[in-house]
Amino acid sequence: SQTIHQWPATLVQPVGSPLSLECTVEGTSNPNLYWYRQAAGRGLQLLFYSVGIGQISSEVPQNLSASRPQDRQFILSSKKLLLSDSGFYLCAWSVPSGRFYEQYFGPGTRLTVT
Amino acid sequence: DQQVKQNSPSLSVQEGRISILNCDYTNSMFDYFLWYKKYPAEGPTFLISISSIKDKNEDGRFTVFLNKSAKHLSLHIVPSQPGDSAVYFCAASRNDYKLSFGAGTTVTVRA
Repeated sequence: SQTIHQWPATLVQPVGSPLSLECTVEGTSNPNLYWYRQAAGRGLQLLFYSVGIGQISSEVPQNLSASRPQDRQFILSSKKLLLSDSGFYLCAWSVPSGRFYEQYFGPGTRLTVT
Repeated sequence: DQQVKQNSPSLSVQEGRISILNCDYTNSMFDYFLWYKKYPAEGPTFLISISSIKDKNEDGRFTVFLNKSAKHLSLHIVPSQPGDSAVYFCAASRNDYKLSFGAGTTVTVRA
């Protein structure tokens, strides 16, 4: 069966510090991968998605970037964090074809920028 | 621009009764609709989906109804159980890789 991992679970970082969140998927090949952010009391906002190694699409202009160095690895980064980057970050995957619209989420990372 | 809206932020229901969650959308190009359940500090869990060519899909205690003319869908949970207490998100896709999510409805099932 497929499993998705995210780490760390929680993170407290000062403004201006760098960020690296990692997501890995097991049990599937060539998944579509996604990064979302959920702000307090809000729905999920899609930040990035990737359909293959090195292929990244950005949905919103922001202080963050994403990379996919391996088939089942997705990384969310920032060079300098802003207070507005605080939130709950979720990685998700879906199959590359067929029911690709059904996305499956990881446990999330709670990021607090101080 | 919020294309998927869940206008009820919360719902309280007695155990054993029906929970009805509502969702409205504005984009007629959406092809698939999904419901997710989320517990605090966890990622959302996929519950059920429906294609725009159908008007009903059922999976155990969960049934989703789609009214395309009204751009409205609903999730019925029957019977409601204490473990159903969570935040429920409605989402929609235009047959591409992107999901647009509503803001969520918090369901509380009372014993």
